Amino acid sequence: GESVGLHLPTLSVQEGDNSIINCAYSNSASDYFIWYKQESGKGPQFIIDIRSNMDKRQGQRVTVLLNKTVKHLSLQIAATQPGDSAVYFCAENINSGNTPLVFGKGTRLSVIA
Amino acid sequence: EAQVTQNPRYLITVTGKKLTVTCSQNMNHEYMSWYRQDPGLGLRQIYYSMNVEVTDKGDVPEGYKVSRKEKRNFPLILESPSPNQTSLYFCASSPHDRGLVGYTFGSGTRLTVV
Repeated sequence: GESVGLHLPTLSVQEGDNSIINCAYSNSASDYFIWYKQESGKGPQFIIDIRSNMDKRQGQRVTVLLNKTVKHLSLQIAATQPGDSAVYFCAENINSGNTPLVFGKGTRLSVIA
Repeated sequence: EAQVTQNPRYLITVTGKKLTVTCSQNMNHEYMSWYRQDPGLGLRQIYYSMNVEVTDKGDVPEGYKVSRKEKRNFPLILESPSPNQTSLYFCASSPHDRGLVGYTFGSGTRLTVV
């Protein structure tokens, strides 16, 4: 498969445990945030999004938390499975502006069976 | 199946030989974009297009061209490739120009310029 990133921070988690992946975003004016998952050899895949008028949003086994005070975003994965092994990116955007998504550099999640 | 299709998946070329990477989407999306992905640098935007005949530079446009003559197609053109353009390239599309519902990405094109 493709090498997504050789120098990424890596999080190793035991199968069945919960994972928390963190992201610091750069622009205090950003008001829309997305988490993407990128498996080896594939393009990034949308996981979950959140708008700045919320501080928490839940999906299936995933939760995104937003702390605008410190410009911090986190992705929590419950009961991590081997299929969750991938690189995870956060992305930010200013809805009211004419700016594209800005992506973070990513975190590699490795699930230990 | 709704998807973004890039071709080719892998390409090895020599410095200076013009090449085109094609991108096509079947979702009637207005917004399309090209990214390159490099170790330690993440995804960086090359060019984007908000609709037919409308294109704009992203963060790293030097050495690239794009065109948007039809809504579904957004080819990336390297007129004179150089080794520093060796990278993994992704095309993405979205139904909204501000990514409100997130992008759909293609599977990537691994380009090596020797």
